[in-house]
Amino acid sequence: DAKTTQPNSMESNEEEPVHLPCNHSTISGTDYIHWYRQLPSQGPEYVIHGLTSNVNNRMASLAIAEDRKSSTLILHRATLRDAAVYYCILRKDYGGSQGNLIFGKGTKLSVKP
Amino acid sequence: NAGVTQTPKFQVLKTGQSMTLQCAQDMNHEYMSWYRQDPGMGLRLIHYSVGAGITDQGEVPNGYNVSRSTTEDFPLRLLSAAPSQTSVYFCASSYDRAKRNYGYTFGSGTRLTVV
Repeated sequence: DAKTTQPNSMESNEEEPVHLPCNHSTISGTDYIHWYRQLPSQGPEYVIHGLTSNVNNRMASLAIAEDRKSSTLILHRATLRDAAVYYCILRKDYGGSQGNLIFGKGTKLSVKP
Repeated sequence: NAGVTQTPKFQVLKTGQSMTLQCAQDMNHEYMSWYRQDPGMGLRLIHYSVGAGITDQGEVPNGYNVSRSTTEDFPLRLLSAAPSQTSVYFCASSYDRAKRNYGYTFGSGTRLTVV
């Protein structure tokens, strides 16, 4: 299974942009890049996903490197509510077990007022 | 509201007792799965299902059973609870690949303590 590498923790100031990196050097052509976040004492929450092109939604932007070996989740203006563990996960576009999400340890984002 | 509903939210069991954690979704998702999360750890996959009548094991299936008789429900059964099963359990669901690579929706979790 293709693996991802993320920093253990990052800090940000409130109302500033945050760039959360993820390396996935063994990514294959059928792997989608998914991001989830988990706020304290809550279940994981879907943030965004993409395949090759950059993606934007109301929560965040996903920038994908041209060779797809890395990606960056961008929170445009961090709020205190964005303090969470962020997981970068590769999910294959197959059925069966290959469609499962396999979680790593993620990046714990702290936001300072 | 559409989503994944887990019950109960909290449960305390004695060693050796059995119980069922309930999970229901109303989004007509094919995929459903169960994860456990121990303190300070990421989520680990217990069992999953790709459709009604089809289930399979994840990375930590021992001590747990599942069934999928309907699209909506995916209960997780603890056969004989052990203290090592003290954890927070999350249920999740998603569309399958035929509907493109959608994200998963997670429930709010069941916090289980085995004494």
